[in-house]
Amino acid sequence: AQTVTQSQPEMSVQEAETVTLSCTYDTSESDYYLFWYKQPPSRQMILVIRQEAYKQQNATENRFSVNFQKAAKSFSLKISDSQLGDAAMYFCAYRSGKSNTGKLIFGQGTTLQVKP
Amino acid sequence: EAGVAQSPRYKIIEKRQSVAFWCNPISGHATLYWYQQILGQGPKLLIQFQNNGVVDDSQLPKDRFSAERLKGVDSTLKIQPAKLEDSAVYLCASSLAPLGYGYTFGSGTRLTVV
Repeated sequence: AQTVTQSQPEMSVQEAETVTLSCTYDTSESDYYLFWYKQPPSRQMILVIRQEAYKQQNATENRFSVNFQKAAKSFSLKISDSQLGDAAMYFCAYRSGKSNTGKLIFGQGTTLQVKP
Repeated sequence: EAGVAQSPRYKIIEKRQSVAFWCNPISGHATLYWYQQILGQGPKLLIQFQNNGVVDDSQLPKDRFSAERLKGVDSTLKIQPAKLEDSAVYLCASSLAPLGYGYTFGSGTRLTVV
């Protein structure tokens, strides 16, 4: 069975600085997708960034980028120029590449605090 | 485009009572998911529907939880009878297809069982 582990329960960063959130996963599949989701107090899960396992190039979305190390099964999120609005719970998630399942497997989450 | 609608937003019940949650997915989304998020943890999939058929309910506690998606649109998740450990946020999500883009979550229902 696939598992996702986030080893940092809490992180803090100064506004305008850079922070990296860690995630490791375990799978025997070769075709899969990895995601980072943001969950503010409103509770809605918001997609931050997505990475297809078959792509070697790391995904980037504006201030957000990932370091995808497939052999090490590591998928970290880097947030550059941190803003107060980035404060939230962040979840790493895995999804199989099998065609009939959309099931997301989430890590335990990392609470990010942004200090002004 | 309207998002995934869920109601109620909050619910407090006593143990052994029953409760139901409602979800209206994004129009045209064939796939609908219910997740349970216990405080301090990541969401866990309870059930996945493709149109009105069940694709995956392997982690649904079927002795007390039930879900339906009549006509392949709205969905209802029910708990009967509730236990203290059912206190959690219940998130609904929908997507065009299981691997499709547009996987969108609702804001969830926070259930407290006392």
